[in-house]
Formats: sequence, C-alpha cells, structure tokens
Amino acid sequence: SQQGEEDPQALSIQEGENATMNCSYKTSINNLQWYRQNSGRGLVHLILIRSNEREKHSGRLRVTLDTSKKSSSLLITASRAADTASYFCALQGNQFYFGTGTSLTVIP
Amino acid sequence: DAMVIQNPRYQVTQFGKPVTLSCSQTLNHNVMYWYQQKSSQAPKLLFHYYDKDFNNEADTPDNFQSRRPNTSFCFLDIRSPGLGDAAMYLCATSPDGAGGSTDTQYFGPGTRLTVL
Repeated sequence: SQQGEEDPQALSIQEGENATMNCSYKTSINNLQWYRQNSGRGLVHLILIRSNEREKHSGRLRVTLDTSKKSSSLLITASRAADTASYFCALQGNQFYFGTGTSLTVIP
Repeated sequence: DAMVIQNPRYQVTQFGKPVTLSCSQTLNHNVMYWYQQKSSQAPKLLFHYYDKDFNNEADTPDNFQSRRPNTSFCFLDIRSPGLGDAAMYLCATSPDGAGGSTDTQYFGPGTRLTVL
C-alpha cells in the first residue's frame, strides 16, 4: 500500500496537554499535508510542508518532515476540547494518498 | 464565501438503484476530486478531473462514474449501488494538481450514502 501509516491510531489526552501524531510513508513526495476531520464532516486543511522543508509552524501546530526517514509528525500544543477530531496526513507525489488517520480525543 | 457544496448531505437508495451525488464549487479551481470514505477509514480517491481531463484510479470499480459538465460542477454516478458502497462521499477541489504548494485541497461536507 502506498498509504501513509499513522500512529497512534487513537490518542486521548487532557486539555492543555500536547498531542503528537506521526505519519510514515514509502514513496518520494513533493509535499505532505495534514488535515483535520470532525466526526461526520469534510476534511479541513491544516498545514502543508514541502519536501525541502524540515519544520513548519502555524499557530499551535508544529509539523516536522524527515524525508530521509520518510516520516512526519504533527504536534498540537496546549490542546483544547475543540481539537477533538481525526487527523490525517496526506502525501503528494506522483499520486495523492491519505494516511490511515489518528483519532484524537481531548478531555476537558 | 467561496466554498465547496455537496448535495444532498444524506442520500438513501435501494440496492441496484442508480444514484447521483453532486458537488459544486465557487473557488474556480481546476481540479475536482471524489473520495469514498468508509467508517473509521481514510478517504480513498476514486477519480479526479484536471480541468476536463478525467483521471480514474486503477482500483475504482466500473460501477462508479463521474461527469464534469463545467468548471463549477462535478457529479458522481453510482450505476448499481451495492451494500458495500454505503459510505461518506467527499468532494474536494484544488487550484492545481501538479504537486506544488497549490495542492491544498478544499473539501465539501460530504454526502452520506445509505444503501437499503
């Protein structure tokens, strides 16, 4: 499968804690994106990191990319209950694939 | 506001009865995508249009067809829905599918299809 593999599959944390989720992939990519999906809804784009970038920030989000290890991580700092959602990495190379997703629950 | 709209939000059909899902966009994006997402799974790309050029994924069943009559609209036709086709169907757009920074996809809210 050319899908990205994400871990953990599910993560439950207390409000205010940081959440880290990881994405590993197999093929070369042009960019890697992270999306959020609230239950039963469409996906919302969070951040895009290009293959020649190593780290990117957007508000409480921090994304790293290690192309030598074919892996990326998404860090959400100071989590809030509203961050409860599924998070998917998406890989853009010759084709476009979503990762398997991490279900994040933030407990108030 | 510019957006991606999907109608209907919920669709119920009978086994074998053709159904059409619609997607429209006000973003004037070149690329439109259709995804199938089953419960607790990642969205799976079915096909996409780059302008008028249709690109089918290799493992998309023939039962699924698509039409894009103009830039704004794209339709997903399921010719003979089976029970296994019950899923959320997501439409997305992007300015350009060429692998650059404009590949961000903008998703509609989805249509949840139930097959009885």
